[in-house]
Amino acid sequence: ELKVEQNPLFLSMQEGKNYTIYCNYSTTSDRLYWYRQDPGKSLESLFVLLSNGAVKQEGRLMASLDTKARLSTLHITAAVHDLSATYFCAVYISNFGNEKLTFGTGTRLTIIP
Amino acid sequence: EADIYQTPRYLVIGTGKKITLECSQTMGHDKMYWYQQDPGMELHLIHYSYGVNSTEKGDLSSESTVSRIRTEHFPLTLESARPSHTSQYLCASGGTLRTDTQYFGPGTRLTVL
Repeated sequence: ELKVEQNPLFLSMQEGKNYTIYCNYSTTSDRLYWYRQDPGKSLESLFVLLSNGAVKQEGRLMASLDTKARLSTLHITAAVHDLSATYFCAVYISNFGNEKLTFGTGTRLTIIP
Repeated sequence: EADIYQTPRYLVIGTGKKITLECSQTMGHDKMYWYQQDPGMELHLIHYSYGVNSTEKGDLSSESTVSRIRTEHFPLTLESARPSHTSQYLCASGGTLRTDTQYFGPGTRLTVL
């Protein structure tokens, strides 16, 4: 059974600081997604990472994928309050034609002014 | 911007009632999904469909049922609601390309009294 673990689960950081969220998964996959969820809202797609070594950047967020280590990171640079949200990684698995995403536990990020 | 809609957005209902949560998308996606998410927790896949007349159960056992009679429509039904069904239900759809992301609807927050 695929397990997807994120850490930390909760992160409180000051504006202007840098930090990294980690997503570890337990089986082979070459596709990983990052989503953002604001309180009481649905999920917004941030990044899709399609191969080993893939790196995507949008504003203050940068995501990377190491398929050999089964690890993805979401790096936050010079955090601002607007980035406060819960961030989920999701691992893509295709098994005999069944394609599914398994979501991580989520990281609740709070940016303190 | 993804065009995926869910109704109702909020539903409070008594135990034993039959309910149907609606989900529709205008993107022509073949693949559609239902997830269940408790507040602040990870998402669990409960049903998915790869096209008309195709439905499968997801990773999390659910007493709900789904149907896919039209490409754009993927309703979820609970025959007899119970307090344990209280949760947020998120519908998603995705295309067939390898790069395609799952796009999420706004969700239905269900409370069963």
